[in-house]
Amino acid sequence: DAKTTQPTSMDCAEGRAANLPCNHSTISGNEYVYWYRQIHSQGPQYIIHGLKNNETNEMASLIITEDRKSSTLILPHATLRDTAVYYCIVTPRNSGNTPLVFGKGTRLSVIA
Amino acid sequence: SQTIHQWPATLVQPVGSPLSLECTVEGTSNPNLYWYRQAAGRGLQLLFYSVGIGQISSEVPQNLSASRPQDRQFILSSKKLLLSDSGFYLCAWSVGLIYGYTFGSGTRLTVV
Repeated sequence: DAKTTQPTSMDCAEGRAANLPCNHSTISGNEYVYWYRQIHSQGPQYIIHGLKNNETNEMASLIITEDRKSSTLILPHATLRDTAVYYCIVTPRNSGNTPLVFGKGTRLSVIA
Repeated sequence: SQTIHQWPATLVQPVGSPLSLECTVEGTSNPNLYWYRQAAGRGLQLLFYSVGIGQISSEVPQNLSASRPQDRQFILSSKKLLLSDSGFYLCAWSVGLIYGYTFGSGTRLTVV
């Protein structure tokens, strides 16, 4: 049973911002939103996570709507190396022992 | 710093042969450990996870088994490989969900 919905694929021009949406309309109050990405033939890489406030780190920004039913991952200046599958995952806050379940993600293609 | 080692990087095995993939973590104690598999063109499937020595949880019935003989060692095994066992096998660790997962570089298994 899918907790998140993401577009199958997206294109982005190099140097432009890539905005990757994720719908998680059934999210509950104790669940975090996590983002990972997987570059071809590599293991997934953690990007960012948030609960209800917007978050920013050196890789990306995470914008979570006020009702928490959707979020957007923003790569401010996409490069060719950002071409990857991006996974949005919702998981309970205090579930250190509950494994992450990856969906199908969004395949982002950054085009020169 | 924490590191995760996974080997071999690639493996070609005949149908019916045994399998042993090893994953070790350095620089942390009491990690949660995970095995995921990604079949060609498919998403990441959780196979096993472990929250401690000798504690293994299986997510899907299959031809594989896992063991955790030491705190930072996680082994994936099979007595007789099937063609359908081909895929990209990834080991990961975490210490509490808040810090995210760190994945190994993966083993690409081809059963012929």
